[in-house]
Amino acid sequence: EVQLVQSGAEIKRPGESLKISCAASEYNFDNFWISWLRQLPGKGLEWMGMIYPSDGDGRYSPSFLGQFVLTVDKSIASAHLQFYSLKASDTAMYYCARHKGAGYCNSANCWGFDVPDVWGQGTMVTVSS
Amino acid sequence: EIVLTQSPGTLSLSPGERATLSCKVSQAISTTYLAWFQQKPGHSPRLVIFGASKRATGIPDRFSGSGSGTDFTLTITGVEPEDFAVYFCHQYRTSPWTFGQGTKVEIK
Repeated sequence: EVQLVQSGAEIKRPGESLKISCAASEYNFDNFWISWLRQLPGKGLEWMGMIYPSDGDGRYSPSFLGQFVLTVDKSIASAHLQFYSLKASDTAMYYCARHKGAGYCNSANCWGFDVPDVWGQGTMVTVSS
Repeated sequence: EIVLTQSPGTLSLSPGERATLSCKVSQAISTTYLAWFQQKPGHSPRLVIFGASKRATGIPDRFSGSGSGTDFTLTITGVEPEDFAVYFCHQYRTSPWTFGQGTKVEIK
């Protein structure tokens, strides 16, 4: 079964760094874009960015630019979301999701992608002093 | 950025009733790029409909999607107890990918 398994819940203090992971199994990790999404408590879904494991090409939502970095480790078929200086407002559930099919990107945006069909179980991040 | 507006915010229904959820898109998109997700408390979103009208794997045929341009609809014909959840519409035509704010289908 195609799966994305995320790392466990985290409790952090403001200013701390954090790296959460999304491990893929039962498909060719290199060839499918992985998106990361945020869900604030009791709210809707926000797309943060996505990364292509084959070459590490990362695309970021303008709403989230500069707040985190996306990376991959192909040797363990995992994608990572890294925060360098957390804020209380980063308290949220974070999901990774695989896009069924790839599209096209230029310097400004992307288009023609397929729907994110497989989702991780989510990683809850709590940032509090 | 493409904005999606869902209505109603909450839909109170008895099991067996018909649910009609609306999603209005700020600019016309191809039906290819509109999806619906179901989310239950404590769970990640589950793909229900993609390409505006195609059911995802394992989704029962009481779920149907329709619409075009800027107006899309998710219909549940005969809501079952396991269908009570929040439903989000989603556009994947152009990044940044965006979602509606959700419609909660609750037991009346």
